Amino acid sequence: QKEVEQNSGPLSVPEGAIASLNCTYSDRGSQSFFWYRQYSGKSPELIMSIYSNGDKEDGRFTAQLNKASQYVSLLIRDSQPSDSATYLCAVTRNNDMRFGAGTRLTVKP
Amino acid sequence: DVKVTQSSRYLVKRTGEKVFLECVQDMDHENMFWYRQDPGLGLRLIYFSYDVKMKEKGDIPEGYSVSREKKERFSLILESASTNQTSMYLCASSTRNPDEKLFFGSGTQLSVL
Repeated sequence: QKEVEQNSGPLSVPEGAIASLNCTYSDRGSQSFFWYRQYSGKSPELIMSIYSNGDKEDGRFTAQLNKASQYVSLLIRDSQPSDSATYLCAVTRNNDMRFGAGTRLTVKP
Repeated sequence: DVKVTQSSRYLVKRTGEKVFLECVQDMDHENMFWYRQDPGLGLRLIYFSYDVKMKEKGDIPEGYSVSREKKERFSLILESASTNQTSMYLCASSTRNPDEKLFFGSGTQLSVL
């Protein structure tokens, strides 16, 4: 079983819709959870981090964490074409960070 | 701004060559990481280091070694490059706090012919 699993997609949503990205992890000792966005040919950049159960909102982005279900999600409201990218879920335990395979999101105008 | 610098953006090597990928960070970070990224597989951890001269294997260490003689520099070594090591290699650094994000370099696209 992979440590961090994501639906590989691709996921396509119309402009203005809500995009929902999901991630599960296998290590119950995982401490911190991150969503990175990666545009084609670029390095990943951090969008959201979440450390405790519940929701965390930042502008159009909401991260949700459920440690009992070992599940992290990212919601993007009012999706824009500029949100088209690959979204990587990442999980840390102690000093190392593991990534999922990423979900490619396309937002169609 | 934190800067993580990888020595080459593109590199072409021949099978069997010894290859060095260099990474330098300027923020006094304790942790440094090497990932490779392949289509459909995401970022896979090769090695990481949490202190000078310390190293830990990641998920795919076979065929690679690392060196961290100074805090700011973390080198990835391909002892005998093979075609299946053609990939994008990303270096990253962070503080020791697991709540902190990674800072990435711009990546090295390595082609082994």
